[in-house]
Amino acid sequence: GAVVSQHPSWVICKSGTSVKIECRSLDFQATTMFWYRQFPKQSLMLMATSNEGSKATYEQGVEKDKFLINHASLTLSTLTVTSAHPEDSSFYICSARDLAGGPAGELFFGEGSRLTVL
Amino acid sequence: KQEVTQIPAALSVPEGENLVLNCSFTDSAIYNLQWFRQDPGKGLTSLLLIQSSQREQTSGRLNASLDKSSGRSTLYIAASQPGDSATYLCAGGGTSYGKLTFGQGTILTVHP
Repeated sequence: GAVVSQHPSWVICKSGTSVKIECRSLDFQATTMFWYRQFPKQSLMLMATSNEGSKATYEQGVEKDKFLINHASLTLSTLTVTSAHPEDSSFYICSARDLAGGPAGELFFGEGSRLTVL
Repeated sequence: KQEVTQIPAALSVPEGENLVLNCSFTDSAIYNLQWFRQDPGKGLTSLLLIQSSQREQTSGRLNASLDKSSGRSTLYIAASQPGDSATYLCAGGGTSYGKLTFGQGTILTVHP
């Protein structure tokens, strides 16, 4: 299947700093990527939909100024957690759909990025 | 708003047993339903994707069914192995940008 790569896989930062997480589709193009958040022993919650060349669409309750999303190319979306605090510590997972597969195509997920804010 | 529920929350079985994981969803207007596997601390591995026009999909020892009218999907695992131990998540694909709504998952443990 298609490969989605996330980097870094884990990061530890001090409170108040910003952290950038990258999501790349390695062998396909994706106009839309999705960012999810997963707390321990819980399921995935969609944070936002990243749209290539336009603004991201955020889910209700997700602060767009806190979680900055940039989707500058068909293979890369970035999530920046600004002024991170301990409550932002979580597992962040991105997913992407092959452009050729249409809206009902299979979603492929990255390996996730574990953020720990001290 | 789509809601996805998985039953049971956890399941422990001896090796070799056949088992069924259940998933129910509230909105039958879904594009597709996807089953994933997640190992501890890892991302998601897609297992099976069922389009709304399909009733089932098979891959090796896995078989997933979809009944839109009743809002249910099942994942059947034949001849379970210890390596099957993981969390299994089902997710319904909505019509808006194809976003997925996830269930809470079923934690499967297969004992040798």
